[in-house]
Amino acid sequence: AQRVTQPEKLLSVFKGAPVELKCNYSYSGSPELFWYVQYSRQRLQLLLRHISRESIKGFTADLNKGETSFHLKKPFAQEEDSAMYYCALSLRSQGNLIFGKGTKLSVKP
Amino acid sequence: NAGVTQTPKFRILKIGQSMTLQCAQDMNHNYMYWYRQDPGMGLKLIYYSVGAGITDKGEVPNGYNVSRSTTEDFPLRLELAAPSQTSVYFCASTNTGDAGYGYTFGSGTRLTVV
Repeated sequence: AQRVTQPEKLLSVFKGAPVELKCNYSYSGSPELFWYVQYSRQRLQLLLRHISRESIKGFTADLNKGETSFHLKKPFAQEEDSAMYYCALSLRSQGNLIFGKGTKLSVKP
Repeated sequence: NAGVTQTPKFRILKIGQSMTLQCAQDMNHNYMYWYRQDPGMGLKLIYYSVGAGITDKGEVPNGYNVSRSTTEDFPLRLELAAPSQTSVYFCASTNTGDAGYGYTFGSGTRLTVV
C-alpha cells in the first residue's frame, strides 16, 4: 500500500543550525514526491518537487530510491522557517496526493 | 486571479445539521480535491473529481457528498453533521492528472460540530 511516513511530529532547532525533516515512502511504482509547507494560519503551498531538483528558500530534498526517502534539508535554519511541513507522494493513476502526518518545525532565536 | 476560493472560513454546526462547503477555482483546472486535516493526522482525501460530472471517493468519504456540475465549482456536502467531522477542510486543484505540478490549495474551512 502507498504510504508516506514522517517520523517526527515536532522538530525544534536554533536559528542558524542545520535542519533535516525526514520523509520515507512506500510505493511500488515510480515515485513523484513533494514537500508542502503551511505557515501559521496560511494555506498549504508547494515548497519543492523532486522532479525539478530545485532549491527553494534554501531548502533542498533529494530522492533516494534505495532508502525510499525524500528528506528535506536546510543548512542554516531561520526563524521564518517555523511552520508545518508535509511530505506528499503523487499517485499518477488517480492524480491525487498522499500526505504524511506532517512535522512541525520550530526555529528558536 | 483568485486561485482556489473556499467559503465559509469558519462555521459551527450542531449535531444533525447540514451544510455545504463551497470551493471554486478560476484556473480552468480539471482535477479538484477535498481533504480534511485533523491535528496530528495530516491530510486525508475525502472526494476528488477529474472533471465536470465525474467524482470519486477518497480515503474517508463517509458522511460526505460532492457534485461537480461545472469545471469551476466542487462543493462538499455534509448531510448529518457529527462531532467526528470537526476538522479543517481544504479544497485543492491541479491541471495535470499526475499532480506533477503540485496542487493549489484554498485557505480552508474550519468546521466545529457541537
